[in-house]
Amino acid sequence: GAVVSQHPSRVICKSGTSVKIECRSLDFQATTMFWYRQFPKQSLMLMATSNEGSKATYEQGVEKDKFLINHASLTLSTLTVTSAHPEDSSFYICSANGQETQYFGPGTRLLVL
Amino acid sequence: AQSVTQPDIHITVSEGASLELRCNYSYGATPYLFWYVQSPGQGLQLLLKYFSGDTLVQGIKGFEAEFKRSQSSFNLRKPSVHWSDAAEYFCAVEITGGGNKLTFGTGTQLKVEL
Repeated sequence: GAVVSQHPSRVICKSGTSVKIECRSLDFQATTMFWYRQFPKQSLMLMATSNEGSKATYEQGVEKDKFLINHASLTLSTLTVTSAHPEDSSFYICSANGQETQYFGPGTRLLVL
Repeated sequence: AQSVTQPDIHITVSEGASLELRCNYSYGATPYLFWYVQSPGQGLQLLLKYFSGDTLVQGIKGFEAEFKRSQSSFNLRKPSVHWSDAAEYFCAVEITGGGNKLTFGTGTQLKVEL
């Protein structure tokens, strides 16, 4: 099946710094990618829809200036958490739109100290 | 707004026993329905999906699910559970024409006793 990778798999950063997470579709092209956030013992919450060549569409309550999304190519979307704070610590998951379903990356564990 | 309910947070079954994970959705029309499995360190993997047609759908790893419109349910079943099935299971819905956005249930953690 289609493969989606995420890098890094886990990252620890200091409060106030920015962190970039990459999401790549390895064997297919995706005009649309999605970014989710998953809190411990909770479900995945859609943060934004990333569209290649255009601005991302953010879900209600998600700060677009804090969570910068760039989808510069058909195989790469990036999520940058700017000025990270401890409450941003979470598990971030991306997915890429394939035929009839989304293919998910393995996730990135972010810990902000 | 649509919602997805998975009533069981945790389920423990013995290896070889049958399994049923419940999923109910709330939406005016019939959405597309999915079951995903999440194992530690791995991305969500699609087990099966329902778009239309036969209400009993077969998936990978011996799983099946039945769509019941009258109950707004899409329960996942497996006749004989293997220890490797221990994982987190998510039900998800997609509104037709909704830009492929998925709404997930809260998940059910499956534990398999040997």
